[in-house]
Amino acid sequence: NAGVTQTPKFQVLKTGQSMTLQCAQDMNHEYMSWYRQDPGMGLRLIHYSVGAGITDQGEVPNGYNVSRSTTEDFPLRLLSAAPSQTSVYFCASRPLAGGTDTQYFGPGTRLTVL
Amino acid sequence: GENVEQHPSTLSVQEGDSAVIKCTYSDSASNYFPWYKQELGKRPQLIIDIRSNVGEKKDQRIAVTLNKTAKHFSLHITETQPEDSAVYFCAATDSNDYKLSFGAGTTVTVRA
Repeated sequence: NAGVTQTPKFQVLKTGQSMTLQCAQDMNHEYMSWYRQDPGMGLRLIHYSVGAGITDQGEVPNGYNVSRSTTEDFPLRLLSAAPSQTSVYFCASRPLAGGTDTQYFGPGTRLTVL
Repeated sequence: GENVEQHPSTLSVQEGDSAVIKCTYSDSASNYFPWYKQELGKRPQLIIDIRSNVGEKKDQRIAVTLNKTAKHFSLHITETQPEDSAVYFCAATDSNDYKLSFGAGTTVTVRA
């Protein structure tokens, strides 16, 4: 199993540009989520999904969109990048049934918005 | 939503001593409390977790305790080693047992 994968690893954008951060998992997990990590602020939840076709907002959703057309993929779209979105983005997945609770993280995408 | 507070933000200990990190949470319906370790430039990785029907769990040098009445849980690392130096995050699920909310993190430095 590859676990949770993310692309790209690094990205530099100019203010106003849009882009999609890719996330995929091969563990058949129902739950997937996106976090951003900023110094001193821990991991803040952007959006999450409990299954294909179902998404919901976390604590910092503004400026981001998500969709979940398959169990495996959960892309995060930045609509119009702003310097405040400079951060490290982690995708994560966990099962919602089956006897284990562990949430696994992807390797992260370091995004810089100029 | 769930609010998780974590203390201290930094912790420096002598090698061989113990380290304790404390977290409080706001949602009394929370059921699952994991701890993650993050090394510099790496992804967070689960080191130990506890469910609300258990008061304490131990795995070699690390242990977690949970006080549901007071809504706080703690991570204990004994006999610290240099490789324990990292950022540690506590987390708690919401009442639906879906979302994980994280504390702000504790940077642990083990001095040789």
